[in-house]
Amino acid sequence: GEDVEQSLFLSVREGDSSVINCTYTDSSSTYLYWYKQEPGAGLQLLTYIFSNMDMKQDQRLTVLLNKKDKHLSLRIADTQTGDSAIYFCAEVSGNTGKLIFGQGTTLQVKP
Amino acid sequence: KAGVTQTPRYLIKTRGQQVTLSCSPISGHRSVSWYQQTPGQGLQFLFEYFSETQRNKGNFPGRFSGRQFSNSRSEMNVSTLELGDSALYLCASSILAGVTSNNEQFFGPGTRLTVL
Repeated sequence: GEDVEQSLFLSVREGDSSVINCTYTDSSSTYLYWYKQEPGAGLQLLTYIFSNMDMKQDQRLTVLLNKKDKHLSLRIADTQTGDSAIYFCAEVSGNTGKLIFGQGTTLQVKP
Repeated sequence: KAGVTQTPRYLIKTRGQQVTLSCSPISGHRSVSWYQQTPGQGLQFLFEYFSETQRNKGNFPGRFSGRQFSNSRSEMNVSTLELGDSALYLCASSILAGVTSNNEQFFGPGTRLTVL
């Protein structure tokens, strides 16, 4: 079945880079997404990548996609305390068109 | 432009009761999707409505139902509540149906449902 997995927790120091990893199973996914959820708020789309791309950069965010290993990562450069949140990786199911989310990675940024 | 609004924000019910949650999409958006978020199961897709028709459905029992009105507002109903229904219910709106790069889903803040 379709499944998306992420590590649950990551702690970094302010100014360091953060790398959040995700693996997925649906090789027919056309898009892969990263969402951010701050306490008490809904999900905010951060960035996405087409499945035919290897990398996408958007300001401090870099997404790397290894389609062979079905591995996706989100790198946040110069991590700030305001980046503390839960980050969700999601794939669009090739069969159903639904968004399949990972469990979310809680990013803790220490000053 | 106002974002996606959900009412109520917090709700406490007891087992066996039923509940109705409301979602008002961004003006001009015709698609509304609902998700359930729990610590154990994470974020799971419930259903999507587009132009008053259910377009897609997740793997939830029939106690979970929804509808969409002609103004694109959507309601979600859960009947015969169980303890396990305690969750954050998120709705998301988009201009078109489905999830694509040029059809971003905008999420509301959610309704926190607690079943006692």
